[in-house]
Order: sequence, then C-alpha cells, then structure tokens
Amino acid sequence: GAVVSQHPSWVICKSGTSVKIECRSLDFQATTMFWYRQFPKQSLMLMATSNEGSKATYEQGVEKDKFLINHASLTLSTLTVTSAHPEDSSFYICSAIAGQGYGYTFGSGTRLTVV
Amino acid sequence: QQQVKQSPQSLIVQKGGISIINCAYENTAFDYFPWYQQFPGKGPALLIAIRPDVSEKKEGRFTISFNKSAKQFSLHIMDSQPGDSATYFCAASIGGFNKFYFGSGTKLNVKP
Repeated sequence: GAVVSQHPSWVICKSGTSVKIECRSLDFQATTMFWYRQFPKQSLMLMATSNEGSKATYEQGVEKDKFLINHASLTLSTLTVTSAHPEDSSFYICSAIAGQGYGYTFGSGTRLTVV
Repeated sequence: QQQVKQSPQSLIVQKGGISIINCAYENTAFDYFPWYQQFPGKGPALLIAIRPDVSEKKEGRFTISFNKSAKQFSLHIMDSQPGDSATYFCAASIGGFNKFYFGSGTKLNVKP
C-alpha cells in the first residue's frame, strides 16, 4: 500500500530557531502533498497544498514566510517553520495522494515543541 | 462556514456494541467521503470510503451508510472492541484527490 514517511516524529527547539520537517512518499510518486496542523483534541487544519516544481498554495491566514514549503521532487516535500515561537508548538501532519480515487495517505505526524 | 459537520463529539460504547458516528455536508459537488481513524500521537489512517453512487459500503466490521438526498453519511462500527478506541474523522472532497474538508472528529471509547 501507499506509505508516507514523515520525519522527525518529534522535535524540541528553542524559540527563534528554524525547524525542518520532511514528508516522503516511499512507494509512489506524489505530485501533490498537503500539510496540516492539528491542535490537541481538534480537527486537522489544512495549511497548504504543495505541488512538485511549483510554489505552494497556502490557506487563508497561514503565513507564507513563516511556514516555508518546498516540494523539490516527486517523493519529497518539506515544511520549515522559521523563527519558531511557543505558539507554533503543534502536531504537524503531511499527506499525499497515491493516485486518483485512493484518497489521502497521511504521514505519522511531527510533534513540535518550541521552548 | 463549516463544510462538514460531525457528531457526536465523543462516544462511549460497551464492548460488542454498535458505534455510530454521523456527518452532514453542504456542498453537493462533493463526491468522495472517507472516514479516518487516528490514534494519539499518530497520523490519521484511511478506514473506509464511499462515493455517492452507492448507499452503503461494508468492510469487515465497518459500514458507511450514505443518504444523498439528506446530504448525510455515517460510520457504523459493529461489535465494537476496545482496540477501536480512537478519534474518527469524516471528510469530503471533490474527486478524491483535491482539498479535503474534515469533520471536527469523534472520540470513541469502547469499554471492556
């Protein structure tokens, strides 16, 4: 089946530093990947749609300069949280479409804690 | 405006019972309705999905019932087990490969 690998699974960083999260499709090519943010006991909030070889499409209210997304290949998308602050602490999840009609496959998520 | 509304927020069911989670949508263009299961600290995993050309889909103990005229769909978990305790999300999209709209989630607790 389609597998999406996300790393790291958890990260603690100091306020003001940047953190990069990787999302890889292991056994399929993903021209489109999605990045979500999830607060405790809440639903998934779509942050941006990542398209291979082009600029990401951000949802309203998501800061493009703070959450940098790069989709340089058909199997890798990265999310960089720049100048992280405690309010950026959250669970970040990526997903990809394996093919038409297959729906999303989610990564295992990254727990970011900014101290 | 919330595109997909999900209820209940939480659900407690005895082992062996039936768990029922409901969702309603507004956009009649939606044509793909999946359900995801999420355990704490993990990403959601696809459980079962349905398209509006059928009224019901069953996979093992999990069944989706779909009512196109009412714009509602539901997840039924038969013979609920403690291992089913998780948060369940319904979703809807156009085509199944575009933006997904998620429900607010239902935390299911199956008592042994």
